[in-house]
Order: sequence, then C-alpha cells, then structure tokens
Amino acid sequence: ELKVEQNPLFLSMQEGKNYTIYCNYSTTSDRLYWYRQDPGKSLESLFVLLSNGAVKQEGRLMASLDTKARLSTLHITAAVHDLSATYFCAVGGGSNYKLTFGKGTLLTVNP
Amino acid sequence: DSGVTQTPKHLITATGQRVTLRCSPRSGDLSVYWYQQSLDQGLQFLIQYYNGEERAKGNILERFSAQQFPDLHSELNLSSLELGDSALYFCASSASRDRGGEQYFGPGTRLTVT
Repeated sequence: ELKVEQNPLFLSMQEGKNYTIYCNYSTTSDRLYWYRQDPGKSLESLFVLLSNGAVKQEGRLMASLDTKARLSTLHITAAVHDLSATYFCAVGGGSNYKLTFGKGTLLTVNP
Repeated sequence: DSGVTQTPKHLITATGQRVTLRCSPRSGDLSVYWYQQSLDQGLQFLIQYYNGEERAKGNILERFSAQQFPDLHSELNLSSLELGDSALYFCASSASRDRGGEQYFGPGTRLTVT
C-alpha cells in the first residue's frame, strides 16, 4: 500500500525567510502533485511532476522530484504572508488515476 | 475557479438519513473522482468513474455508492449516515488523456451529521 509522508506538518515562518517541505513516498511512482488549500476552500493545483529530476517553479515556490529517493520537495523562497495555507503532496500509483495524499503541511507566514 | 461544480455547498442532516451529493466535471473531462476530507483521516480517495464506468475504488464504505451518468455528471450517495461521516467531500475531474493528467477539484460539499 502506497504511503505518503510529509514533513513538517506545521511550519511557522517569518516573512522573507526560506524553507523546504518534504514529501516521501513508499513505492515507485511516476506522478507527483502539489496542491494548496486555503481554510475551508478547495484544493488548487500547484505543480505536476512526472519524471525523475523534474523541477518546476512558480513565483516563490519551487518543486522538485527525485524518483530514486522517492522524495519531492517544495521550496519556499522569501516567504510572504499570502503563502499561508496548507500544502499537500499527492502521489499517483498503479494503472489508475487514484491519488494518495500526505497529511498536509500547515504553513503560517508571520510578518 | 476549476470548472468543476458541486452541489450543495453545505448539508446538515441527522444520523440514519440518506443524502446525495452532485458533481459536474469540467467540460470535456471524462473522469470523475470522489474524495473525503476529515480531520482524523485526512484526504482519502473514495472512488473513480471514467465515462460512466467504475474505474477504481478506494476506502469507500458499503453504505456509500456512486455513479456517473451519460452526461458525465456524477452523484455520491451516502446512506445510514453516522456522526463520523461528517466531512468535506470533494469531486475532481481530469481529461484522462494520459495518466499524468491533473485532477481539478471542485469547491466541495460540507456534510454535517447531527
């Protein structure tokens, strides 16, 4: 059974600082996704990573994938308050499209 | 706005009752997925339909069932409701042209069982 672990689960940052969220998964997968969720809202797709070594960047967020290590990272550069949200990684496995989600990282960016 | 719509937004009902949640996928998407989000279980995949047929099943209880209609909208039926069924239920859709396709999530239905 595919297991997805995120850490940290809670992250309090100061504006302007950098930090990384880690996503480890237990079995081989060729699809990894990062989503953002604001309180009480839906999930917004941030990145889709489909190959080993894939790196994608959007604004202050950069995601990477190492399929050999079964690890993805979401790096936050020079955090701003608007980035405060819960970030989920999700891994696809098998021949269907089912996603297995991590528990999420609650990010709070303080002034 | 993802283009996926869900109704109703909120639903409050009593234990033992039955409810139906509705989802309309993005235009052209053939796949619909249902997920449950709760504080203790997190985000869990329930079931997937592709062009009217069940494609994959996850941690879906026997009291729950779903279907996808010819116009591609989907319904999730929850019966004999228990307090523990209170959760946010999301529908997502994808184009399914390839397995790497993104899943676009709807706004969710918040179910409260009292």
